[in-house]
Amino acid sequence: DSGVTQTPKHLITATGQRVTLRCSPRSGDLSVYWYQQSLDQGLQFLIQYYNGEERAKGNILERFSAQQFPDLHSELNLSSLELGDSALYFCASSVVGTGTELFFGSGTQLSVL
Amino acid sequence: EDQVTQSPEALRLQEGESSSLNCSYTVSGLRGLFWYRQDPGKGPEFLFTLYSAGEEKEKERLKATLTKKESFLHITAPKPEDSATYLCAVRGETSGSRLTFGEGTQLTVNP
Repeated sequence: DSGVTQTPKHLITATGQRVTLRCSPRSGDLSVYWYQQSLDQGLQFLIQYYNGEERAKGNILERFSAQQFPDLHSELNLSSLELGDSALYFCASSVVGTGTELFFGSGTQLSVL
Repeated sequence: EDQVTQSPEALRLQEGESSSLNCSYTVSGLRGLFWYRQDPGKGPEFLFTLYSAGEEKEKERLKATLTKKESFLHITAPKPEDSATYLCAVRGETSGSRLTFGEGTQLTVNP
């Protein structure tokens, strides 16, 4: 158990809908990262937050947004969902914001039908 | 742009048959090379971080090595429980906090 908690584990929804994925980092970790893993693209970095502020942004679509709250949990919001958004979404955390030794949650499997 | 290529894509071994996985990378100013293990339906599990050429790290049957262009994950006398996908990632001086991952090597160890 990495100590990173993601909910829900599975999410099935329809095209055009909006969903929210939630992540609680390990106790003491200030930085949260979101990654997308699909069969044809591997793990792709989406966005990072450090102590409530956006630190880095990757290949995140404009339809996607995230935030980190004062209690350090994070939410990833996906809107106007398309079939191609179906993937595993992972949250990871680290003590500092330098990207070393990321600890990953078990992911949310999103299926868009 | 940082790039990571892993080979082979898949590897089947018999229990006890040692082998190596390769990770070739292109990065501007390496700030860390990372190995992770991922089991089906789970998140990647951190294994090693290597920072400079010549560095080696070991954990049980796994040993990771690093050169200026590639890293190897050596698996000695593997067991069926070593079956997993092994991911390599890099962090470069221009990539901030971002890790760039390879697509992984899927290892199957048969009893």
